[in-house]
Order: sequence, then structure tokens, then C-alpha cells
Amino acid sequence: DAKTTQPPSMDCAEGRAANLPCNHSTISGNEYVYWYRQIHSQGPQYIIHGLKNNETNEMASLIITEDRKSSTLILPHATLRDTAVYYCIVRVGAGNTPLVFGKGTRLSVIA
Amino acid sequence: DAGVTQSPTHLIKTRGQHVTLRCSPISGHKSVSWYQQVLGQGPQFIFQYYEKEERGRGNFPDRFSARQFPNYSSELNVNALLLGDSALYLCASSRSRALYEQYFGPGTRLTVT
Repeated sequence: DAKTTQPPSMDCAEGRAANLPCNHSTISGNEYVYWYRQIHSQGPQYIIHGLKNNETNEMASLIITEDRKSSTLILPHATLRDTAVYYCIVRVGAGNTPLVFGKGTRLSVIA
Repeated sequence: DAGVTQSPTHLIKTRGQHVTLRCSPISGHKSVSWYQQVLGQGPQFIFQYYEKEERGRGNFPDRFSARQFPNYSSELNVNALLLGDSALYLCASSRSRALYEQYFGPGTRLTVT
């Protein structure tokens, strides 16, 4: 079973920041937080991952709370092409375990 | 470079039949994983293969099997198809056994009637 809780859906205005929350209150010390997204009719796409420090790449930023029980994925300037289902996943950092997907958050970016 | 490719794109089968799905990983990637995605759900892990050996198996019946070839491509086989096997089957590749970043293909849409 997925170890994360996400809202089923969210809306965001185009050009604004999209902040997607994820609760992972039972996360272990050696588990990382991963984010993937799935645009309609495509396979999931890796976005970012982190352990406890905030992370940023060309796609997004990941903010992890100090107690690591929750995190937020930030898309700084959402576009219509960011409309997708976003999955928050926790897994052991060595990466030898498969991804366990929940139902994710369906983000709709509105013009 | 080409991404992960899967064939066929769509497939319709009848209950009780057998199906073979194919996956070619990104060049240089040695690990292939298979996932099943039923409509409205997130993908569920089926198998991982690395260096032609099974490295992980999800909670799927023995009707599901897979293999990886010397060129790292992979096949997923499903025997005695059930209506509940209708799903999008996704293949993902990664460079090593460690699955930090998995790159997914577009999937094969299987419909069992």
C-alpha cells in the first residue's frame, strides 16, 4: 500500500505557482520522497526526489518539513502542459525497491 | 536518444488467451520494470529485471511472467487472460539496478473481452 496521502484534485491558474502537498507521517529515516507525474495517455515522468533537504531542479522544487512527515512539490509557474496526475512516493533510498504508486493528485491548470 | 519503446500500442484479446508485450529500454539502461495500471488507479509493480535476472516481483499471480534478453529488451507474458487484466501495461527502464530515476514508456493498452 502507498505510504502517502494526497488530495485527489487541485486547480491552479496558469502562470501561478502550483503547490502540491503530500503527507507521509510514517516515513522512515532511510526513505526518500519521490515525485512523478503522469500526463494523460503517457507513462509516468520522474520529477524530483529528496531525503530531508529542500531540492530544486529545472522542473520543480521539493520542500520537506523538518520532521519529514510532509512535503510540498512546487511548480513555480504552472502552464497548461503541467496538467497531469502527480504522485508522491516514499521509498528506501538505495532504490532497490519498486515504486509504490497511490492515486495521486490530479492537477488542472486553468487558463 | 530514443526513449523507452513498447509494442504494441493497443491490443484486444479474448478471455483465456495469451498475450506477449514487448519493451525496449533506453540505450545503456540495464534494468527493466513492468507495471500494471488499471483505469483510475496508480501503476502497480509487477516485475523488475536487471542483467537478465528477476530482481523483484509484485503481488501478481503466476499467470504473469517476464524475461529480459541479452540486449536488455524485455517481454511480459500473461496467460489465461481474465477480464480484470484489462489495463495499461507500462515498462520502465533505469541505468542500474538502483531505481533512482525510472523512465517510463507510453504503455500498451490491453483490453480483454
